[in-house]
Parts: sequence; C-alpha cells; structure tokens
Amino acid sequence: SYVLTQPPSVSVAPGQTARITCGGNNIGSKSVHWYQQKPGQAPVLVVYDDSDRPSGIPERFSGSNSGNTATLTISRVEAGDEADYYCQVWDSSSDHPYVFGTGTKVTVL
Amino acid sequence: QLQLQESGSGLVKPSQTLSLTCAVSGGSISSGGYSWSWIRQPPGKGLEWIGYIYHSGSTYYNPSLKSRVTISVDRSKNQFSLKLSSVTAADTAVYYCAREVENYFDYWGQGTLVTVSS
Repeated sequence: SYVLTQPPSVSVAPGQTARITCGGNNIGSKSVHWYQQKPGQAPVLVVYDDSDRPSGIPERFSGSNSGNTATLTISRVEAGDEADYYCQVWDSSSDHPYVFGTGTKVTVL
Repeated sequence: QLQLQESGSGLVKPSQTLSLTCAVSGGSISSGGYSWSWIRQPPGKGLEWIGYIYHSGSTYYNPSLKSRVTISVDRSKNQFSLKLSSVTAADTAVYYCAREVENYFDYWGQGTLVTVSS
C-alpha cells in the first residue's frame, strides 16, 4: 500500500514559518489533504486538494505539492498552532485507498 | 452545521465484539456525494482508516480489518454503526466517525475511547 512519510517533529519560534513535509512516491500526482489535531481533540481539516482552505481556516495555512513531496506551510506561527499535523491522500490503485501520513508534532518554542 | 457524535461501549473484553454508533445531525446521511467513515487512533499513535459506507448501504473496508469489520447504516435514525469482532488489546484506540467528500474528511466526531481489557 501507499506510504506517506512525515518528520516526527518540527520546532518553530512564534512569528516564524513552519514547514511540514509529506513524502510519497509521485505524490505530486495525487491530491493531498492536511489535518490539525490538538491534544484530546478530533482532527480538523486545514488544507484540502493540495492548497485549498476550508472556511474558517486562517490564510496563514497554505499547502503545495510537487514531485515526491507535499508541504504544509504555517506562516506567522502562533502558540495555538501547536498540534500534530497529518497529511492524507486517496490512492485509487490501492485496496487501502485512504492513507494517512505518520504525523508531525509542531512545537512552538 | 453538521455534527457527528459517537456512542457505544468504552470497555470491551478480549475476543468480544466492539460496537459503536455515529449519530449525524444538522444534515442527512442520505445526501448524495458523501460517504461515512470510521477512523481509529491507538493511544499515542497515528490515524488508521477502518472503512466507509454510502447511504445506499454499499461498503468498503480496510483489507487489514476486513474479516472482522461490519459497517451498517440506519437511514431512519440518521446514523451509521461499526462492529469489530474478535477484538484484542491492539484494537484499543480512540474511534472517530467522519464524513468523506471528494476523498477527504471534512467533518469528524469528537471521538470515543474504546479499551479492550478483561
């Protein structure tokens, strides 16, 4: 089945930019979605279809996808952005079509 | 605003069957264009998709769980359910229900912790 690899952790100072990568074979040919999960809470969709934001998600959250890497970028990081982030794709060629990344813990210093 | 709420047994004995229900409010489970999924997360670990059901009743399951999983829908109650048989400690997790649209999950329930223990 398709594998999505994320760095376990990313640390960033307030006001700086956090970049979270999601690696997968030719992931640029797929649509990538990103979820934010705070402790004890359900995941929340923050980016879908590589770079679109759901209503209510700040413009500080943006996404890109090319080649073998998709990236979620959080600009002007705030303390409230501290959370786990998961990428997700739908792999049409797999018998396990909904694949989540391994997750990245973002720590705001 | 669509809301999903999981309910069910929080403690299940090994070898028994886990049963959960997801009640949907603020929208109809019979609306076209969506599927309804179960996703789980073991303590301290990542997300695992379990399976989905369409309002028509058609289902698709994660092959690694397929032999033990049944997802059903009750359109009259606007809810769908999960049964996972022959559970072991490895099935201990927070179980989420979620709505899928265009291959991503836009609404999630709050999640419910199910512990498998004697």
